[in-house]
Amino acid sequence: EVRLVESGGGLVQPGGSLRLSCSASGFTFSDYAMDWVRQAPGKGLEWVSSITRSGTYIYYTDSVKGRFTISRDNAENSLYLQLDSLRADDTAVYYCARGGPKEYYFDYWGQGVLVTVSP
Amino acid sequence: SYVLTQAPSVSVAPGKTASITCGGNNIGGKSVQWYQQRPGQAPVLVVYDDIARPSGIPDRFSGSTSGHTATLTISRVEAGDEADYYCQVWDNSGGPNWVFGGGTKLTVL
Repeated sequence: EVRLVESGGGLVQPGGSLRLSCSASGFTFSDYAMDWVRQAPGKGLEWVSSITRSGTYIYYTDSVKGRFTISRDNAENSLYLQLDSLRADDTAVYYCARGGPKEYYFDYWGQGVLVTVSP
Repeated sequence: SYVLTQAPSVSVAPGKTASITCGGNNIGGKSVQWYQQRPGQAPVLVVYDDIARPSGIPDRFSGSTSGHTATLTISRVEAGDEADYYCQVWDNSGGPNWVFGGGTKLTVL
């Protein structure tokens, strides 16, 4: 059974930092691209960042470029998202998602972790 | 950047058929996915590659695309189908981007 479990969320002040983690199990982690998708309270889904299987290629949505950093550790079956220079509009539930076999969709999702940016 | 447009809400009586649409420029030329998100839960993939269903998804869920519109059809609607539904495509016109529609709230009357 594929499992994705996020951790590391919480309350942070504007300008602060957080590091989100996603622990994967039930599949060969290094065979799949991985992504972060977020959802602001009461709003829709927004793709945030993607990393290819070996970490060679990394992509970000424009609003987080230069502030967020995605990484992975295939030996630890873990995905990470470093969030720096946080703003109020970064407040959201952050989901870890597995890239599908063709990497242009998400076939499994974690339960999400809440990040709240507030004074 | 590529934009996907969904109606905010759709209502349907139990046992009837619901159609949820997703508009986008030449969306028929892209691979379209649909996700179901029940209240307080993570999204679940229900249709990928326009028409394919992941294992475990009932055949009551079906997808289609034509021209500028993709459609998720849910037949014999049940109370448990009440959820938000999001369409999604991959677009590379300005660099890789995974694009979601704004979501449609399906209400079962």
